[in-house]
Amino acid sequence: DAKTTQPNSMESNEEEPVHLPCNHSTISGTDYIHWYRQLPSQGPEYVIHGLTSNVNNRMASLAIAEDRKSSTLILHRATLRDAAVYYCILRAMNSGGSNYKLTFGKGTLLTVNP
Amino acid sequence: EPEVTQTPSHQVTQMGQEVILRCVPISNHLYFYWYRQILGQKVEFLVSFYNNEISEKSEIFDDQFSVERPDGSNFTLKIRSTKLEDSAMYFCASSYLTGGQPQHFGDGTRLSIL
Repeated sequence: DAKTTQPNSMESNEEEPVHLPCNHSTISGTDYIHWYRQLPSQGPEYVIHGLTSNVNNRMASLAIAEDRKSSTLILHRATLRDAAVYYCILRAMNSGGSNYKLTFGKGTLLTVNP
Repeated sequence: EPEVTQTPSHQVTQMGQEVILRCVPISNHLYFYWYRQILGQKVEFLVSFYNNEISEKSEIFDDQFSVERPDGSNFTLKIRSTKLEDSAMYFCASSYLTGGQPQHFGDGTRLSIL
C-alpha cells in the first residue's frame, strides 16, 4: 500500500468542526482513500472512503484534492465520542492479488475538549 | 446493524499453552482477517482467509499460528505454543469483497500470556 502522512495529534472543541488532513503524494490511479478510526479499547471502525469525488455519509465527509495527493476527513460537529485515533489508508481498487490487508500507520490522535 | 463478534474478550494463558480465539464474522461476508495490536503499537495484519484457504499472511503469522473456518459462521485463530510476546489485542475483521471495500472489525480479544 502507498504511504500516507498524518499529523500525530490534533485537538478540537466539542460541537466545532474538525478537519483531519492526510497526505498521499504517491497515490496511484486505482487507490481508494479509506479512513478508519479506533476509539479507546475498541477495534478499528470504518468511517468513509472515496476515489476521486468528495463523499458524505452519516459519520463524516471526505474531501479529496483535485490531484488526489491529499485528502481531508471532516467531522462537522465533534462530540466527545469522536475522540479516537484516525487512520488514513490507501487501498487498491482491484480485488485479489496481495490486496487483502489494511496497513495501519500511527494515525492522528484526536482529542475533543468539552 | 450487523457486527463482528469476538470471544472471549480477555484470555489469560500460561506460556507454552495452546489458545484459540473465536470470531463470528458478518454473515454474508466472504473475506476474513486477523490483526493484532501490541499495547501502545500499531495495528498489524496477520492473515486473510477466503474460500477456505489463506489468501495472504504476514511475517508474524508463522508455523505457530493457524486459522480455520470450522463451520459456516465461526472463524478461529489458534496459537499452538504461546510466547510472552504473543500478548496483544487480537482483532477479527470481515468484508464482503476486498479491494476498495471496507473491513468491519470486532472489539478484539485481549490475550495475556503469563
